[in-house]
Parts: sequence; C-alpha cells; structure tokens
Amino acid sequence: EVQVLESGGGLVQPGGSQRLSCAASGLTFSSFGMGWVRQAPGKGLEWVSFISGSGATTYYADSVKGRFTISRDNSKSTLYLQMNTLRVEDTAVYYCAKFKGMERQNYALDVWGQGTTVSVS
Amino acid sequence: QSVLTQPPSVSGAPGQRVTISCTGSSSNIGAGHAVHWYQQLPGTVPKLLIYSNTNRPAGVPDRFSASKSGTSASLTITGLQAEDEADYYCQSFDSSLTGYVFGTGTKVTVL
Repeated sequence: EVQVLESGGGLVQPGGSQRLSCAASGLTFSSFGMGWVRQAPGKGLEWVSFISGSGATTYYADSVKGRFTISRDNSKSTLYLQMNTLRVEDTAVYYCAKFKGMERQNYALDVWGQGTTVSVS
Repeated sequence: QSVLTQPPSVSGAPGQRVTISCTGSSSNIGAGHAVHWYQQLPGTVPKLLIYSNTNRPAGVPDRFSASKSGTSASLTITGLQAEDEADYYCQSFDSSLTGYVFGTGTKVTVL
C-alpha cells in the first residue's frame, strides 16, 4: 500500500521559515510526481507546488512563488517544502500528495497524507 | 482565487440525483486538460473520486459519475446516500498559470 506521511508543521512567527517533510513508502518514489496542497481553516483546497519524479521540473502557485521551494530526495523517498517569509495567510493544513497520470497536464492526486498544520501567528 | 468555479452548495433527499458543475476557461478545462474530482468527508483527508474526466478508482461506487464538455465539467451523484454528505472539489491544470487548480468546492447536503 502506498502511503505518505507529513511532518514538520508547527507555530511560526510572520516572516519566519519552516520546512515540511513527507516520507513515502510502498512505491518507486522516483517514478512519480509529488506535490503539496493546503487547506486554510474552513476554506477550500489550494494547490501549492509540484515536482517531477526526477526533480528537474517544479511548479508553484502564484501565492507562494519566490517564497516556497519544493525538493525531493529520491534516495530517501522523501519530499520537502521549504517555506520562507511566511505570512499569516499561509496558515493551513499542508497535505503531501502523489500524482498519477500519463501526461503532466492531466495528472490527478491519488494518494494523500494526513496533513501537517502550519500556523503563522 | 480559484479559476474553477463551483456552486457553494447543493442538496437533495436520499435517493435523488444531484449534479455539481465546475466551470473553467480556455486555459484549463477548455484546453483539453483532464478534470478530476475529490470528495472530502467531514474532518477527513480529500480522496480521489473521479480521474481523467470520467474514470472511477477502484472502490468508488458507480452512483458517482462525471462528464466534461467545452470549458465545463460536472459530477453527478445518482441515488444520493447519507454518507455522500461531504465537500466536493474539481481539479485540472491551467496552461496560463502553469500549475494545477482546484475548484471553489461544493458542499453536498443530504436532506
């Protein structure tokens, strides 16, 4: 069974930094694109970032571009999200998720972690 | 600000059919990018419900179906059940934004 497990959430002051990790198991990690999705309290889902299996391609939502950096260590089957210059509006549950599909433009998120909470205050 | 628009809420009695729309534009759904649907039961993690416009993952009941046409897509629940009460989100890729986008979300209430 494919599983992903996030860690690294917590309380951080505005302007501060936080690094999230996501450990994956049950899959050939380097074969799949991975990403982060967040959900602010009482709000909908917001896609944050994507990284290809090799790590060569990354995408970011405009709301985090220039502040967040996605990366991965395929030798450790681990995904990361480095979040800098955090704002109050970054407060959310951050989900790690695996992408599936044949073409990047048609990818869906088929495996989700339980989420880790980041509070900026 | 989401580029995929959904109605905030829909409701129906048990056994009825409800449909949720997802309206996009020429840079996402209208560009031919696949639409996927997720179900988020209260207090739980989102779950992939429909992928690539019309396909159900293993274990998803066949009362859930979806379609896509032009710049819009829709999710239909036929034979609504109490356990279908949840938030539903559409998702696609936007070529102009070069990234993935979610719909605004729809809360389904079973009366």
